[in-house]
Amino acid sequence: DQQVKQNSPSLSVQEGRISILNCDYTNSMFDYFLWYKKYPAEGPTFLISISSIKDKNEDGRFTVFLNKSAKHLSLHIVPSQPGDSAVYFCAASANFGNEKLTFGTGTRLTIIP
Amino acid sequence: NAGVTQTPKFQVLKTGQSMTLQCAQDMNHEYMSWYRQDPGMGLRLIHYSVGAGITDQGEVPNGYNVSRSTTEDFPLRLLSAAPSQTSVYFCASTNRDYGYTFGSGTRLTVV
Repeated sequence: DQQVKQNSPSLSVQEGRISILNCDYTNSMFDYFLWYKKYPAEGPTFLISISSIKDKNEDGRFTVFLNKSAKHLSLHIVPSQPGDSAVYFCAASANFGNEKLTFGTGTRLTIIP
Repeated sequence: NAGVTQTPKFQVLKTGQSMTLQCAQDMNHEYMSWYRQDPGMGLRLIHYSVGAGITDQGEVPNGYNVSRSTTEDFPLRLLSAAPSQTSVYFCASTNRDYGYTFGSGTRLTVV
């Protein structure tokens, strides 16, 4: 049973436009959410996180939105740049810093120059 | 500061062979984990450790053993390799103040 779902395996966006990546979860015990970015042949790198006490967190071009009632979060990248082309994983845990992260299946983002 | 170092980067094993995937971190992180990444499956937790001498099972522990004798090292042992263990393996560590730091991965093929 996939507790964290990324229903779009791939997404293509024009350079300079907004990229929106979505993630849904089913476990109501999750209260901390993270996004990771992964390039080929490299390990995932931490991008941004959000606690369930917030509904938005911004870091430069990256913003994560959390809708607890819908069990949905999204990552917005504005403006999109060619270097953003990568696979993005959504992850969740049952408390901040919990050692057990549950990952989604990933969305491959391609930025078109 | 090397972060999380995994060796080897690539390995081919025959069915039934055993091997150890090495993982070391130099950030004095308490928490370390092993994940495997398979197509269409995301990353799945194999085993994790909350400190030296303490380990526990994750989502897919069967066929793997771990130990944590020091803060720095968290090796993953494949006891008797099977083709189903063909995957990319990632080690990660965290001090709980930030997201996990991942190693660059070990690509394992079992034939």
